Formats: sequence, C-alpha cells, structure tokens
Amino acid sequence: ETGVTQSPTHLIKTRGQQVTLRCSSQSGHNTVSWYQQALGQGPQFIFQYYREEENGRGNFPPRFSGLQFPNYSSELNVNALELDDSALYLCASSLAPGASYNEQFFGPGTRLTVL
Amino acid sequence: QQQVKQSPQSLIVQKGGISIINCAYENTAFDYFPWYQQFPGKGPALLIAIRPDVSEKKEGRFTISFNKSAKQFSLHIMDSQPGDSATYFCAASMWGAQKLVFGQGTRLTINP
Repeated sequence: ETGVTQSPTHLIKTRGQQVTLRCSSQSGHNTVSWYQQALGQGPQFIFQYYREEENGRGNFPPRFSGLQFPNYSSELNVNALELDDSALYLCASSLAPGASYNEQFFGPGTRLTVL
Repeated sequence: QQQVKQSPQSLIVQKGGISIINCAYENTAFDYFPWYQQFPGKGPALLIAIRPDVSEKKEGRFTISFNKSAKQFSLHIMDSQPGDSATYFCAASMWGAQKLVFGQGTRLTINP
C-alpha cells in the first residue's frame, strides 16, 4: 500500500509570486484535503477535493485554489504570495465523503517559505 | 463553536510515567475524535480515534477517555518512552464532513 506523497519537500518564494504544490493520495483513497500548518499551530483546513471538484472550503481567500485529477492526485495553487503564507502545507487522503468517519491520512508536507 | 481547545501546550514526563493530554469541544455535532502524533519535519500520523458511543478506547499503551456530557476527551500514554517525544494534536469532525478541526497541539518530552 502506497502512502500519501507530496512534492516538493521545501520551497522558497518571494512575495507576490505564485506556487503549485502536488499530492498523490494513498492507494484506494479518492478524496484529498489540504491543510495549512503555521509554525507551532495545529493544521487549518483549506479545502477538499472529491470527484475532481471542490467539496468544502475553509476560511481561506480565493487566491488559494486547487485541482484534482482523474487519478485522484491533487494540486494546491497559491497566487500573490504573502509573508503569512509561510507554513507547512499538508495533504491528506481519505475515502469518499460520507463513506467513513473522515479518517484522514497525511503526507509529509511541503514547507513553503515566502521572503 | 468549531474550536477544539487543547491543554497543556507543553508537557515533560519521566520515562515510564503517564502522559495525559486534554481536549475540550463545544460543537455537540462532532462525532469523531482522532489523535495525531507529529514528529519534527513530518506530517501528522493518525494514532488512535474514538466515537462518542464509547467512553474509552485502548490501543497498546495509548488510551482515549471520552466524557460526552462534559464535552471533553483525553489521551493517556502509559509507560511513556523517549520515542514518544513528539507533538500531539487532538481533532474533531462530523460524519460526512470535509474537515478535521484540530487543537493547538501539545509538545510532549519524555526524559530518559
């Protein structure tokens, strides 16, 4: 069984730039959720993708967007980067919404630093 | 109402002791309460989870105690080991909901 993988591991960008982060879900999982974890804080829900469509969104501005592909992998895109976007971005995969008690399995994360 | 409050922020326990981390929630619609363990530079790993139809769940050295009336739940780590040193997060969710709501985390240090 393949776990959740994310790329890249680390990324450094400057303010105003755009970034794309990638995630491959665990084998057998068709739902991907993205979280932002600031230093010393718990993860905050950004959004979830199911059947290639956004299926719920947290309190994040529209410059945070995503995609899900037919193979269930996903991308997180952030436009017009701000200093406060510096964080660990986590991808979690799970079974279809409503199919389980939301057991989410996390990848290792991408550490984004905005200068 | 969507918050989950976790305490303490940090905890130091001697090897072999019992580590206890507490969480409280407000939203009575929450019906799934997992605990995650996170090591530096890694993503959170699902440790153990409980649903409100039971008051306790034990897996090895890890036990969740759940008090539905008080809207509180806690993680107990028995015979704590230096390898348990990590940050622990409680979380809550609802059936079919998209998101997990996390506590602020507890940094646990087990002294040898």
